[in-house]
Order: sequence, then structure tokens, then C-alpha cells
Amino acid sequence: QVQLQESGPGLVKPSQTLSLTCTVSGGSISSDGYYWSWIRQPAGKVLEWIGRIYASGTTSYNPSLKSRLTISVDTSKSQFSLMLTSVTAADTAVYYCARNGGTYYYFENWGQGTLVTVSS
Amino acid sequence: DIVMTQSPDFLAVSLGERATINCKSSQSVLYSSNNKNYLAWYQHKPGQPPKLLIYWASTRESGVPDRFSGSGSGTDFTLTISSLQAEDVAVYYCHQYYSTPYTFGQGTKLEIK
Repeated sequence: QVQLQESGPGLVKPSQTLSLTCTVSGGSISSDGYYWSWIRQPAGKVLEWIGRIYASGTTSYNPSLKSRLTISVDTSKSQFSLMLTSVTAADTAVYYCARNGGTYYYFENWGQGTLVTVSS
Repeated sequence: DIVMTQSPDFLAVSLGERATINCKSSQSVLYSSNNKNYLAWYQHKPGQPPKLLIYWASTRESGVPDRFSGSGSGTDFTLTISSLQAEDVAVYYCHQYYSTPYTFGQGTKLEIK
């Protein structure tokens, strides 16, 4: 059973860059057909898909965040990462990494989630 | 973007009774070439990640109790819990994966009456 675990700072200052990493275990991040996504949920608000990456490095981003967003993958470490620049309090949320089994596919596996607070 | 709207926002049901949650998409999520509805349901409990319950609108994920069922097609979908158990208290979300950006409903909070 594949497992995902988010890691990174829990506190980021406004205008700085939020960086998170998701480590995949119990399965290969390079497995054919699987995509790796970031999803977030501000307190009391809707789940928001941030973007995804394939092992080849092909990405797809939510247009609402695209100008500030970079998702990358390191297959040698079985990790993929999120960088979100110029953060504000609106970026405070629980951030999840997740796996979906195809280009247009549901999220089969999720990490536990990590709370990131944007505050000075 | 496809907007997903759930109803109701809050639902209180007695133990052993039926719970029904509705989800409506702003455009069809039925892909005509394979006749599949790109719609999933998740159960979300505090401090845990969302748990996949149903995919392709009506296929139950392995290990999910058979009291959970999904139905609907096109733009209108329903999640039904046939006999509510105490452990079913959670927030339930529908999710469309027909097109990016993937989107979710606002959630339905299910409680015991």
C-alpha cells in the first residue's frame, strides 16, 4: 500500500516562499500512469486542487495559483515538492499530497496533511 | 472551472436511519466515449486525510462498507448511507475529475440526531 508523507515548515512569513515535500513509500513514484498532486484546505473552506506532476516532470497547475507555483519531482528520492511564492494569510491551510491513478482520475491515496500558517 | 454544489450543508440523522447527500455539477461530468461519470465521494474526519468512498459515481472503494452507495449521472449525484452508524459522523465531499482544475463540493457535515 503506497503511503505519502508531507514535510516542511509549519510557519511562513508573508511575502516569502512556502516549500513542502511529499515522500512516497510502499510504491514507486515512477509507476506508470500515476500522477502526484497537491491539495489544500483553509480552515472551514473547500478543498482546493493546487496542481499535479507526472514522474517525467510534466505538470498541470490550477490557473488560480499558476503564477506563483512550481511543482517538481525527484524520482531518485521518491519525492515531489511544492513551492508557492509571495504567500499571504490566504495561503494558510492544511496541505495534502495525494496520488491519482491517471490523467483524469480520483485521488486514491492521501498524505496525513500538514498545517502551514502564514504569519509574521 | 466546474462548480460542485452539495446539499444540504448540514445533515442530522438518527442512528440506523438513511442519510442522503446530493451533489450537482455546473456541467456534465459524463464522458460519452466510455460512459463513465468522473465523480468521486470522500469521507473526511478531523485530523485525518479524506478517505475515498466511491468513484466513477457508483463504484465502492475496496473495504468501504456496503451501506455506502453512490448514484446519479451527468450533473446530479447522490451519496446514500443506508443505515447510519456512529462512526459515519464526518464531512462528506463530492469531487469531479472530468477536467482540470479538479474541483470539490463545499462539503456536507453529517451528525447524529
